[in-house]
Amino acid sequence: GENVEQHPSTLSVQEGDSAVIKCTYSDSASNYFPWYKQELGKGPQLIIDIRSNVGEKKDQRIAVTLNKTAKHFSLHITETQPEDSAVYFCAASVTGNQFYFGTGTSLTVIP
Amino acid sequence: EAGVVQSPRYKIIEKKQPVAFWCNPISGHNTLYWYRQNLGQGPELLIRYENEEAVDDSQLPKDRFSAERLKGVDSTLKIQPAELGDSAVYLCASSLLTGSGNTIYFGEGSWLTVV
Repeated sequence: GENVEQHPSTLSVQEGDSAVIKCTYSDSASNYFPWYKQELGKGPQLIIDIRSNVGEKKDQRIAVTLNKTAKHFSLHITETQPEDSAVYFCAASVTGNQFYFGTGTSLTVIP
Repeated sequence: EAGVVQSPRYKIIEKKQPVAFWCNPISGHNTLYWYRQNLGQGPELLIRYENEEAVDDSQLPKDRFSAERLKGVDSTLKIQPAELGDSAVYLCASSLLTGSGNTIYFGEGSWLTVV
């Protein structure tokens, strides 16, 4: 089956700086890559996603890039704010029904 | 529009006791998932339903876990008897599978502590 690796496991940045989280996947057939943000005590919330027919997608301060050849994708958060502090999960999907999640990145934005 | 609703949010039980979790998916979503999330880990699939049919339950520990989705809407996940290692967050998610893909939405989770 698919194997998704995510790093770093923890990340601390100063407010206003950028944060980058990287994931790799093993199954070249994977074609959908969502990112989730999970705040303490809450369920994961979809923040951005990308499909294999595009290389980059941006939504305000959040962007995701995909390199299908290298089988990796990354989440970029610019101008970080304290409210960006949370655990972020990447995921990969082959069929659109089966999702494989990374182990999460705990992001702390220091005011 | 209401999101995925789960209950109870928190449950503490003694080992060997039964426990049940309930999930109401987003209206119109035909696919429902139950995931388990251990502390510091990502969600892991337990079972996936398409309408009323369980199409992927390969990771469900069937000796003690059971699930049902009557009428293809609400779902319950049961553990009997619970073990200490079952302490985790149980996440329900739903999606509407279309020809162009699938986006899943999670509920807030049911936090289980087995003592």
